[in-house]
Amino acid sequence: EAGVTQFPSHSVIEKGQTVTLRCDPISGHDNLYWYRRVMGKEIKFLLHFVKESKQDESGMPNNRFLAERTGGTYSTLKVQPAELEDSGVYFCASSPSTGAGSYNEQFFGPGTRLTVL
Amino acid sequence: GDSVTQMEGPVTLSEEAFLTINCTYTATGYPSLFWYVQYPGEGLQLLLKATKADDKGSNKGFEATYRKETTSFHLEKGSVQVSDSAVYFCALTPNAGGTSYGKLTFGQGTILTVHP
Repeated sequence: EAGVTQFPSHSVIEKGQTVTLRCDPISGHDNLYWYRRVMGKEIKFLLHFVKESKQDESGMPNNRFLAERTGGTYSTLKVQPAELEDSGVYFCASSPSTGAGSYNEQFFGPGTRLTVL
Repeated sequence: GDSVTQMEGPVTLSEEAFLTINCTYTATGYPSLFWYVQYPGEGLQLLLKATKADDKGSNKGFEATYRKETTSFHLEKGSVQVSDSAVYFCALTPNAGGTSYGKLTFGQGTILTVHP
């Protein structure tokens, strides 16, 4: 079974440019999460999709970030325009539907390292 | 809000040494607690978990016990190997009625390097 994949693995862009990150979750996983780790600090939650719907987007830093999950499969995270402080590693994770009384493990992708110059 | 604090790193040990990485948390209610590990060039992997007070999670020789009274979940291993070199993250997720809500709150990560 293929794991969570992310593309690209590394992106270097100039301040003010646009970048789109992609995440392909494990097939059949309804839950998809985006996280970010900035400069060796803690990994912070950005948002959570259940299928194509945004369940929780409380961690999105500002309106320069736009996440989509059309059709409930892969997801994209667009940063427009990018700023220096957006540099970091962006992780995607997926998990199957949560049943009552259970925890469903989140499976993480390898991350996309974004560098904004 | 919820938060997780890990001991500052990096941690450097010789092979077969004893490892402790401290983790404390602040959360309402009774969260589930986790340790994730990130090996070089890979994504995060769940190492172990505990979902209620006094539970002990264990995997690959690593252990951590959910201590409600001290709000801690310290990671331990009796004899580390070179292959344990990685970044370790403590994390929590809120629970309600025994169901996890999935959103993870992480600590800042601890880099572990084990020398032969």
